[in-house]
Amino acid sequence: KAGVTQTPRYLIKTRGQQVTLSCSPISGHRSVSWYQQTPGQGLQFLFEYFSETQRNKGNFPGRFSGRQFSNSRSEMNVSTLELGDSALYLCASSLVGLAGLGTGELFFGEGSRLTVL
Amino acid sequence: AQSVAQPEDQVNVAEGNPLTVKCTYSVSGNPYLFWYVQYPNRGLQFLLKYITGDNLVKGSYGFEAEFNKSQTSFHLKKPSALVSDSALYFCAVKGNEKLTFGTGTRLTIIP
Repeated sequence: KAGVTQTPRYLIKTRGQQVTLSCSPISGHRSVSWYQQTPGQGLQFLFEYFSETQRNKGNFPGRFSGRQFSNSRSEMNVSTLELGDSALYLCASSLVGLAGLGTGELFFGEGSRLTVL
Repeated sequence: AQSVAQPEDQVNVAEGNPLTVKCTYSVSGNPYLFWYVQYPNRGLQFLLKYITGDNLVKGSYGFEAEFNKSQTSFHLKKPSALVSDSALYFCAVKGNEKLTFGTGTRLTIIP
């Protein structure tokens, strides 16, 4: 069965631009969560979507937003990019969602590496 | 607020020696604890988890982790390290509905 697919894998933007990242979860998984990975901060939780509804949100400014479609594919958008937004953005899918991780697990994509110049 | 600490940014171990990657946590209620591994230019892969029961949890690739409630620790261990174990390791704790990751420990196995 296909894994979690993230596109694009690499992208370069300039300050002030916006970016949209896409995540296709494993077939049948209804939960998609997003994380920002930077060398100093590790993995920071952005948000989780389950069946098209945002379930949880991390401590990120409103410039970071997301959505989930009826086929469970998810997108995240970052507007007005700043240099500090340069990071690896990871998405993870699961059958049960973060609330049910006692019985399930997260499956991660390979990430989208964003560089902001 | 829940948190995870991985006190060592870098751990170097000679091939064949036992390895330990440390993790301590803080969470309200009973913790769900996880270890993930990340190889270069890849996403995270699940290694093992502790939910309840036996304090020694066995996972993928010969790894195991010991849950210690009194010390609020969940250290990752392997009896004999392989060069292929070199990677970035993340400990994570789940409380309420969020999953909090540590900052990661880079494990290097020296041939």
